[in-house]
Amino acid sequence: EVQLVESGGGLVQPGGSLRLSCSASGFTFSSYGMHWVRQAPGKGLEYVSVISGNGGFTYHADSVKGRFTISRDNSKDTLYLQMGSLRAEDTAVYYCVKDVPGGYSFDYWGQGTLVTVSS
Amino acid sequence: QTVVTQEPSLTVSPGGTVTLTCASSTGAVTSGYYPNWFQQKPGQAPRALIYSTSNKHSWTPARFSGSLLGGKAALTLSGVQPEDEAEYYCLLYHGGVQWVFGGGTKLTVL
Repeated sequence: EVQLVESGGGLVQPGGSLRLSCSASGFTFSSYGMHWVRQAPGKGLEYVSVISGNGGFTYHADSVKGRFTISRDNSKDTLYLQMGSLRAEDTAVYYCVKDVPGGYSFDYWGQGTLVTVSS
Repeated sequence: QTVVTQEPSLTVSPGGTVTLTCASSTGAVTSGYYPNWFQQKPGQAPRALIYSTSNKHSWTPARFSGSLLGGKAALTLSGVQPEDEAEYYCLLYHGGVQWVFGGGTKLTVL
C-alpha cells in the first residue's frame, strides 16, 4: 500500500525558514518523480515544485522560486521542501504527491502538513 | 500567466449526469496537456480520479469518466451519488514543466 506522510509544518514568523519532509512507503521511491502542492485556507490547489526520481531535475513555481528548494534522499525514501524567506501568503497545507508511472500525472497524495506564517 | 478555468459551481440531482469542464487560457486543451482530475471533500486531501485525459485509477468509480470536449478537458459523472458532492479540480500540463490547477468546481448533489 502506497503511503505518503508529511511532517515538519508549524507556526513560523515572516522571514523565517522551515523544512518539510514526506516519508514514502509501498513503492520504489527512486523510480518516481515527486511533487509538492499547496492549498491556502479556503482556497484552491497551487502547484509548487517537482523533482525527478534520481533528483537530477527540479522545478519550482515562480511564486516560490529562489525561496524554496525541493530535494530527496532516496536512501531514506524521503522527499523534502526547504522553505525560506517565508511570507504570510505561504500559509497553506502542503501536500506531497507521487507521479504516475510514465509521469505527467499524479496518483497518490499525502494527508498534508499545515504551515502558518505569522508574527 | 497561464490560467485554467473551471465552472465555479454546479448542481446535479441524485442519479443524474453532469459534466465539468477545464479550459486553458493558452488555447484548446489536447491530450498533450495530460488532463488530470481530482476530488476533494471538506477536511480531506485531494484524491486522484482521472489522469492523461481519460485514464482511471484503480480506485476510481466507474461512473466517473474523462474526455476532451470542445477544446476543453471534461469530467463526466453518470448516475451521481450523494457522496459525489465535493470540490473537483483539474490539472493541466503546459509544457516547460508548468503544471497549473484550475480554480475548482464545487459540485452540489441536490
